[in-house]
Amino acid sequence: NAGVMQNPRHLVRRRGQEARLRCSPMKGHSHVYWYRQLPEEGLKFMVYLQKENIIDESGMPKERFSAEFPKEGPSILRIQQVVRGDSAAYFCASSRTGPTNEKLFFGSGTQLSVL
Amino acid sequence: DAKTTQPTSMDCAEGRAANLPCNHSTISGNEYVYWYRQIHSQGPQYIIHGLKNNETNEMASLIITEDRKSSTLILPHATLRDTAVYYCIVRVANNNDMRFGAGTRLTVKP
Repeated sequence: NAGVMQNPRHLVRRRGQEARLRCSPMKGHSHVYWYRQLPEEGLKFMVYLQKENIIDESGMPKERFSAEFPKEGPSILRIQQVVRGDSAAYFCASSRTGPTNEKLFFGSGTQLSVL
Repeated sequence: DAKTTQPTSMDCAEGRAANLPCNHSTISGNEYVYWYRQIHSQGPQYIIHGLKNNETNEMASLIITEDRKSSTLILPHATLRDTAVYYCIVRVANNNDMRFGAGTRLTVKP
């Protein structure tokens, strides 16, 4: 039973390029969460999605960042026109039901480096 | 969500119990206490959670004080692989934002 799969594991982009981060939740999970972790800091919530719907994007920067979780395929976190400050580890988590009394399963993350 | 306070770092001898404290003095009656850990360069891993009663699973035990203002995570027989940052989180059920603080960096030494 595969866990949460994220790819790529490492992503290098130059300033101004686009970054696409993918997340496949655990089998049977229809709820996905994205977190960002800056060096030596804790994880910060970005967005919560259910299949085809964004439920809560209160932690997502208003510009350049978007997320989707289509009916088929992985969840995508998209960062347009990346800047050096976007360099961070991006973690995806999934859960079987919504964020009630439910634990989250995390992927291994994507380390984004912006040159 | 209530704020938590944890020591920045702790050491533990291999094979001994590791007791990680967490203060959450402003916790509300409907907020759960969750513990996760993050081993270097990996995603966080769920350990245990509880509301009022003490909980135990294959990984750890969670002791919550009667007034719920603090809790302790116990790893009964720490191994070198338990070296990680341990996060104590309190959150309301149905809250999407599980807020990770700085956590406690536990180092298990031979």
